[in-house]
Amino acid sequence: EVQLLESGGGLEQPGGSLRLSCAASGFTFSSYAMSWVRQAPGKGLEWVSGISGSGASTYYADSVKGRFTISRDNSKNTLYLQMNSLRAEDTAAYYCAKDSCSSGSCYSGNFDYWGQGALVTVSS
Amino acid sequence: AIWMTQSPSLLSASTGDRVNISCRMSQGISNYLAWFQQKPGKAPELLIYAASTLQSGVPSRFSGSGSGTGFTLTISCLQSEDFATYYCQQYYAFPYTFGQGTKLEIK
Repeated sequence: EVQLLESGGGLEQPGGSLRLSCAASGFTFSSYAMSWVRQAPGKGLEWVSGISGSGASTYYADSVKGRFTISRDNSKNTLYLQMNSLRAEDTAAYYCAKDSCSSGSCYSGNFDYWGQGALVTVSS
Repeated sequence: AIWMTQSPSLLSASTGDRVNISCRMSQGISNYLAWFQQKPGKAPELLIYAASTLQSGVPSRFSGSGSGTGFTLTISCLQSEDFATYYCQQYYAFPYTFGQGTKLEIK
């Protein structure tokens, strides 16, 4: 059974930093691309970032480019999102999502399994 | 970016009804479209990908159709557990984008 468990959310001041983690199990983690998708309170879904299975390729939404960094440790089956220079508009539930593409170098954007989400609140 | 127009934003229906949700794109995306269901306080769940392929474990009352710029999610016989919010998503081009959502409520 695929399981994705996010952690690391919390309250941070504008300009601060947080690192989210997503522990994966139930599948060969290194074979699959992974993504972060966020949802502001009461709002819709927004794709944030993605990374190939090998970690060699990364992708970002313009709204976070230069501030957020996605990475993965395939030896620990864990996905990360380092969030710097946080803004109030980054307040959201952050979901990690598994990609359906199983080649180490691909990234399809088709998200077949999601974690339960980690809440990030940016406020002074 | 590819703009998506999902309609209606709110849909009232009764158990046993057949309902359709529409998603229109600002440009053609072939069949690179997925549909998700989200219940309050929960993560989205994949229902359909590649416009019309049912994800494993999803009931057959859900179906998807369309290609290019117009897509439809159909629920053929609403069950109580289907009342939720539905999102379409294109994965044809970066940035991947989602529709605004359709809240399906009990009439």
